[in-house]
Amino acid sequence: ETGVTQTPRHLVMGMTNKKSLKCEQHLGHNAMYWYKQSAKKPLELMFVYSLEERVENNSVPSRFSPECPNSSHLFLHLHTLQPEDSALYLCASSQISGTVDGYTFGSGTRLTVV
Amino acid sequence: QKEVEQDPGPLSVPEGAIVSLNCTYSNSAFQYFMWYRQYSRKGPELLMYTYSSGNKEDGRFTAQVDKSSKYISLFIRDSQPSDSATYLCAGTGGTSYGKLTFGQGTILTVHP
Repeated sequence: ETGVTQTPRHLVMGMTNKKSLKCEQHLGHNAMYWYKQSAKKPLELMFVYSLEERVENNSVPSRFSPECPNSSHLFLHLHTLQPEDSALYLCASSQISGTVDGYTFGSGTRLTVV
Repeated sequence: QKEVEQDPGPLSVPEGAIVSLNCTYSNSAFQYFMWYRQYSRKGPELLMYTYSSGNKEDGRFTAQVDKSSKYISLFIRDSQPSDSATYLCAGTGGTSYGKLTFGQGTILTVHP
C-alpha cells in the first residue's frame, strides 16, 4: 500500500449511530489532517495533528472526535450527526516544514447522514 | 470575506481551447500557492505550486502569481477531455505544518 488510504469509501449512517472513519499513510509523514468537502463550498480544515498532537481544531462540533494513535493512523469518530454533516471527508498527510509537493490527500470517505 | 475566492463555474470549453482559471486571496502571509486537480470520486492531487510571485510552466500548464494584486491564475493550453475535473486553488504560509486554505473549486469540462 502506498500513499494515503481512507476507509470506508462510502458510509451511510443514521443520526443516532456511532461510526469511525479511518486514515492510514505510508509516506513516513509526521502531520495529518481532516478536511470536509461539501458541495459548492471550499475544503474546510477540521483538525490538524502534528507529531501526534492536535494543533488545530477549527470550531468543529463535538459530535466529531479525532484520534491520532500514531503518526501513521488518524481516525474521525462520529456520533449523533446531522444531515448537514453529509459530505466528502478527506484525510491528508505531510512532513512538518517539508515542501508543499509532499502534501498528499486520500480519496476520501463519502458520508451520508439520513 | 473568504480568504481565497474562486469562481465555481462550471466552465465548458471545446477541446484545444486555452483555459484560464483564477483566484484571489486576502491573506498576506501566504507564501506558497497551489493548484490541485480533483477528478470525480477522488481526492485532490497537486498539479503545480509556486513560491511567491512569478510564473511556472509545466507542459501545457502555466501557473502565475501576482502578490501585489493577490491574484492567482492557472492556464491550460491545448485543453483535452482528460483535463475535465474540478480545479482547486490554495494558499499556505506562516506555519511549520501545512495549513492549506482552499478556494471553492472550478468545475471544468472539455468537450471533444
